[in-house]
Amino acid sequence: DARVTQTPRDKVTEMGQEVTMRCQPILGHNTVFWYRQTMMQGLELLAYFRNRAPLDDSGMPKDRFSAEMPDATLATLKIQPSEPRDSAVYFCASGSGDYYNEQFFGPGTRLTVL
Amino acid sequence: AQRVTQPEKLLSVFKGAPVELKCNYSYSGSPELFWYVQYSRQRLQLLLRHISRESIKGFTADLNKGETSFHLKKPFAQEEDSAMYYCALMNTDKLIFGTGTRLQVFP
Repeated sequence: DARVTQTPRDKVTEMGQEVTMRCQPILGHNTVFWYRQTMMQGLELLAYFRNRAPLDDSGMPKDRFSAEMPDATLATLKIQPSEPRDSAVYFCASGSGDYYNEQFFGPGTRLTVL
Repeated sequence: AQRVTQPEKLLSVFKGAPVELKCNYSYSGSPELFWYVQYSRQRLQLLLRHISRESIKGFTADLNKGETSFHLKKPFAQEEDSAMYYCALMNTDKLIFGTGTRLQVFP
């Protein structure tokens, strides 16, 4: 069955390095979301796109984070430079924007910044 | 401001006991509320939505606008219900999540 995929599943990096996370939404879904999950804050929305256009990135630290959708099958989230406080699980989700508004989540990328 | 509050980080019960996971919200308007669940080593998935008034895996949730609550309930917990549960509020296209409650069901 159709699922959201994310790569890498795990990433360990050193402070200051660039990190790129990728997401492939479910084919036909026009809305893509990036969330960050931490023990303290739970799930926070970082940014989301509709039809590849960014609609809201107010949850994202602008100085180091950037999110793009180069095409309808790929969304990327970059952190440059990474910091230890960025350590978290990053989830991508996609939705079709239909009446039920269900979001389908990927397996997440566990990021550890040393 | 729109907000979702889940006051319990951890809820532990024995198998067969009733379960109630609390969720309160703050929203100016008619809310659209969801419960998402994350089982161990699995991805987050939708459990139920209030507009459907459905019962999934024995769970129900009733929207109480007077108390601004959307508590998740199950009369008899099962071990396989052990998971992380998130209450979420839809704000335009965006989901605002609570911090989650971990449910542990002991045999």
